[in-house]
Amino acid sequence: GENVEQHPSTLSVQEGDSAVIKCTYSDSASNYFPWYKQELGKRPQLIIDIRSNVGEKKDQRIAVTLNKTAKHFSLHITETQPEDSAVYFCAASILRFAGKSTFGDGTTLTVKP
Amino acid sequence: NAGVTQTPKFQVLKTGQSMTLQCAQDMNHEYMSWYRQDPGMGLRLIHYSVGAGITDQGEVPNGYNVSRSTTEDFPLRLLSAAPSQTSVYFCASTNGGEAFFGQGTRLTVV
Repeated sequence: GENVEQHPSTLSVQEGDSAVIKCTYSDSASNYFPWYKQELGKRPQLIIDIRSNVGEKKDQRIAVTLNKTAKHFSLHITETQPEDSAVYFCAASILRFAGKSTFGDGTTLTVKP
Repeated sequence: NAGVTQTPKFQVLKTGQSMTLQCAQDMNHEYMSWYRQDPGMGLRLIHYSVGAGITDQGEVPNGYNVSRSTTEDFPLRLLSAAPSQTSVYFCASTNGGEAFFGQGTRLTVV
């Protein structure tokens, strides 16, 4: 089955700095790679996703890059703000088997004001 | 739309008791899943369904049963609760792409 590894497990940055979280996956058939943000005591919510036919996607301060050959994808957050502090999860799945996602173990991001 | 609704939000069980976690979605999504979240271990898939009447096992299915009699509902049954099942449980639904999660059930087995 799919295996997703996520690094680092914790990340602390100063407000205004950039943050990068990296994930690797094992199943070359995976073609959908979402990132979820989970605030303390809340449910995970999608912040950005990328499909395997795209190499990069941006949404304001957030971007995701995908390297299919190396089987890794990364989340980039620029100009970090204290409200970006949360746990971030990457995931990988095959779209035609939607609902069967494999998640990374999460990265706790702390943005210091 | 209410989205994905899970009940209860909190539950304490004694070892050996059984219970059902309820999950309902009103988005007409085909796919529904149950995950458990343990500290430092992310979300692990318990069972999932690709449509009414069709379910399959995920990564950690032991001790749990599911059924999908309607598109809207996907209950998770704990047959005989064990302390190892203490966790936060999330139900999710999707039509491919973004998964929408319920608010979670914090289960403690004593």
